[in-house]
Amino acid sequence: GAGVSQSPRYKVAKRGQDVALRCDPISGHVSLFWYQQALGQGPEFLTYFQNEAQLDKSGLPSDRFFAERPEGSVSTLKIQRTQQEDSAVYLCASSHRGLGYTFGSGTRLTVV
Amino acid sequence: KQEVTQIPAALSVPEGENLVLNCSFTDSAIYNLQWFRQDPGKGLTSLLLIQSSQREQTSGRLNASLDKSSGRSTLYIAASQPGDSATYLCAVRLNSGNTPLVFGKGTRLSVIA
Repeated sequence: GAGVSQSPRYKVAKRGQDVALRCDPISGHVSLFWYQQALGQGPEFLTYFQNEAQLDKSGLPSDRFFAERPEGSVSTLKIQRTQQEDSAVYLCASSHRGLGYTFGSGTRLTVV
Repeated sequence: KQEVTQIPAALSVPEGENLVLNCSFTDSAIYNLQWFRQDPGKGLTSLLLIQSSQREQTSGRLNASLDKSSGRSTLYIAASQPGDSATYLCAVRLNSGNTPLVFGKGTRLSVIA
């Protein structure tokens, strides 16, 4: 596609609910990143894929967070048993050959 | 650990004024630096990308400079307009491998008509 697409745009979850956030990167981009942006803060790295391989997950805040990219294109970030501190904007970015990153519009997650 | 700081945190200027946003980073061994714009409730739009071997990049009314040795970058906006109102984020990348971007907290700019 022309850009990085994320869905849903907004998600309200009750505390304890599981959520799944989707990212469609730019076609042909092998690198895909997930970031978490809390209100008033800059984005913080969560995890990185090169094709289907998850090469770095050091930024995932707990074992409730899980990401996958089984066919090397679409990626899903799953959060189990959501808590209020998970409320944030989740941004996905893709990159081609280490050049500049293209970000999606993000998913705003609110846990109530 | 790489840390990125942006000053000021917020800035309000009258329309037409030229302005400078500052970004500093602690580890000068960066691969590139990128400036982004973020509108409220939206994702990030890339403005300028400066490779470590470059000193500056220009796009329209925007000019970004990079002084790698001192760990600083500036974003210069000429003849500011109300449509420039947004949060401006600076991010650095450490090496040519697929390392993640490290972001500052941003500068929230308001241009008053």
